[in-house]
Amino acid sequence: DTGVSQDPRHKITKRGQNVTFRCDPISEHNRLYWYRQTLGQGPEFLTYFQNEAQLEKSRLLSDRFSAERPKGSFSTLEIQRTEQGDSAMYLCASSFSGTANEQYFGPGTRLTVT
Amino acid sequence: GQQLNQSPQSMFIQEGEDVSMNCTSSSIFNTWLWYKQDPGEGPVLLIALYKAGELTSNGRLTAQFGITRKDSFLNISASIPSDVGIYFCAGQLSGGGADGLTFGKGTHLIIQP
Repeated sequence: DTGVSQDPRHKITKRGQNVTFRCDPISEHNRLYWYRQTLGQGPEFLTYFQNEAQLEKSRLLSDRFSAERPKGSFSTLEIQRTEQGDSAMYLCASSFSGTANEQYFGPGTRLTVT
Repeated sequence: GQQLNQSPQSMFIQEGEDVSMNCTSSSIFNTWLWYKQDPGEGPVLLIALYKAGELTSNGRLTAQFGITRKDSFLNISASIPSDVGIYFCAGQLSGGGADGLTFGKGTHLIIQP
């Protein structure tokens, strides 16, 4: 298995545009997490899925953000009407529910909103 | 939200030296984890700790889950150039209801030639 993959690795967009990121977890992992990381900070939890069910959302996940995992495999994170404050690294992680806290991260998508 | 206080913020050491960093919180954690992150990449899991007092090694790395369940430390012995990076502690809060990890702000390890 090649680990967690994310696409794209970098995205530059203009303020007000919508963007969508994709995450492919480790194949046998049933949990998938999204985090956001800004410069000089640790990752901050946004939301997570167990299979296709979205079980938890952080207060950081404003109504402009939406995440899906329709078939319990890959996930997408969409940000609508992007703002400059959305500029960050968006990280995806996956785990097996039996060892849920051992989360394995992808390389991230670096978003820059101009 | 919950905070993890990680120290030191940065360390400048010579190759071959041992390194020690720690993480503390006012809250109780069920799990402590340590990650390493290189520039432009995602964090890589180094060690996971599940029981108070647990001491676990991974090669030159040793980490401990504090007895109070409110702290953890990571030691790196005989540092080498590839140890450079940012080390993050992360925890899973006790009490359930929060499956996302809480991260510290990281310790930036710099090895001087």
